[in-house]
Amino acid sequence: QVQLQQWGAGLLKPSETLSLTCAVYGGSFSTSYWSWIRQPPGKGLEWIGEINHSGSTNYNPSLKSRVTISVDTSKNQFSLNLSSVTAADTALYYCARGSEHMVYYYMDVWGQGTTVTVSS
Amino acid sequence: ETVLTQSPGTLSLSPGERATLSCRASQSVTNYLAWYQQKPGQAPRLLIYGASSRATGIPDRFSGSGSGTDFTLTISRLETEDFAVYHCQQYGSSPYTFGQGTKLEIK
Repeated sequence: QVQLQQWGAGLLKPSETLSLTCAVYGGSFSTSYWSWIRQPPGKGLEWIGEINHSGSTNYNPSLKSRVTISVDTSKNQFSLNLSSVTAADTALYYCARGSEHMVYYYMDVWGQGTTVTVSS
Repeated sequence: ETVLTQSPGTLSLSPGERATLSCRASQSVTNYLAWYQQKPGQAPRLLIYGASSRATGIPDRFSGSGSGTDFTLTISRLETEDFAVYHCQQYGSSPYTFGQGTKLEIK
């Protein structure tokens, strides 16, 4: 059974870079896409971007200029960097696995979530 | 970007009743639509993918239907553990988007 465990700094100052990592335990790392999603307090979910095992990425245009998602296949991990954070980036951040449905990928396994607060 | 609109925003029902949640897309997503359940302090849990396929371990009281732009999640007989927030999500076109959620609360 696949499990995702995520970690990273929870308190940032404006203009700093958010960095989170998600480790994948069990299952096949190479047959899925791996996503980051966030949820601001009291709001809905926002997809940030995804990566596959070969490093091919796809980002949400609303965040593309500040987002980098990377992968370390030797450790079955993938990471999120979000630069120049502001209070608007305060949210609960999740990593998730994308499983294939006819070429497209739905998110079937989620990490436990990491709360990130941006405050001066 | 495909906008998903969920209705109602809040649904108040009693255990044993039938719940019908709606998700409407601003453009066709074919059947690339998923439903998630989220309880306070927990990550979303996949219920339905492909508009109508139940995920592993999901009880058969949960069912999904629809295609194109109009989708429905039905819970046939509500149990107390079903009261939560439900999100729909389209994964057929990037950026993948979510609805704003429907809160299912005990009446």
